[in-house]
Amino acid sequence: DAKTTQPPSMDCAEGRAANLPCNHSTISGNEYVYWYRQIHSQGPQYIIHGLKNNETNEMASLIITEDRKSSTLILPHATLRDTAVYYCIAPSAGNKLTFGGGTRVLVKP
Amino acid sequence: DSGVTQTPKHLITATGQRVTLRCSPRSGDLSVYWYQQSLDQGLQFLIQYYNGEERAKGNILERFSAQQFPDLHSELNLSSLELGDSALYFCASSVSSGSGNEQFFGPGTRLTVL
Repeated sequence: DAKTTQPPSMDCAEGRAANLPCNHSTISGNEYVYWYRQIHSQGPQYIIHGLKNNETNEMASLIITEDRKSSTLILPHATLRDTAVYYCIAPSAGNKLTFGGGTRVLVKP
Repeated sequence: DSGVTQTPKHLITATGQRVTLRCSPRSGDLSVYWYQQSLDQGLQFLIQYYNGEERAKGNILERFSAQQFPDLHSELNLSSLELGDSALYFCASSVSSGSGNEQFFGPGTRLTVL
C-alpha cells in the first residue's frame, strides 16, 4: 500500500466546509485513494474514492492533484454528526485496507 | 445501515475458550473481509474471502481461522483465547475483490476475554 500522511487532528466550525488533506507521494498509477470515517466505535463508513479525476457524491468531494501525490476530502457543510476519525487509504492490489492514524475531526457549534 | 450484519454484538468469554463470529455481507457482494480493532493496534486487516475462496491474508494469528460458506456468509473462529484478543472485530463486504471496490462495514462484534 502507498503510505499516506494525514494531520492527527483538526477542528471545524459547524456549517463551514471542512478540508482534510492527505499526502500519498508514493502512490502508483493504478492505486485508488479511498476515504473512510469512523464515528466513535462504530464500523468504518465509506465516504468516497477516486483514481485520477475529482469525484463528488452526496457526502463529500474528493480533489486529487494532477501528480496524484496528494488529495483533499471536502465536507461541504460540516455538522456535529461529522465529528469522527477520517482515514485516507491507498490500497495496493487486492483491496485490503491498511488504516493509519487518520485525522480526528471535531466539529464545533 | 451498511447492509452488512454481524452477530453477536457483544461476546464475553474466558481465556482458553473458543468463539465464532458471524458475518452476512450485503446482498450481491461476493467478497468478505475481517478486521480487528484493538486499543493499542488500531484497525488491522485479518483475512479476505472471495466467493468462498481465501484471497488475501493479513496479520491473522494461527489460533484464528475463517471461512466463507456457499451462501456467502462468513465466520471467524478464534480459539485458545488470550486477554490480548479482546477487541472489536469488523466484517466488511464488497462486490468483488479487486481495486476500485468500496468496502461496506458491519457494526462489529465486541469481544471481551476475561
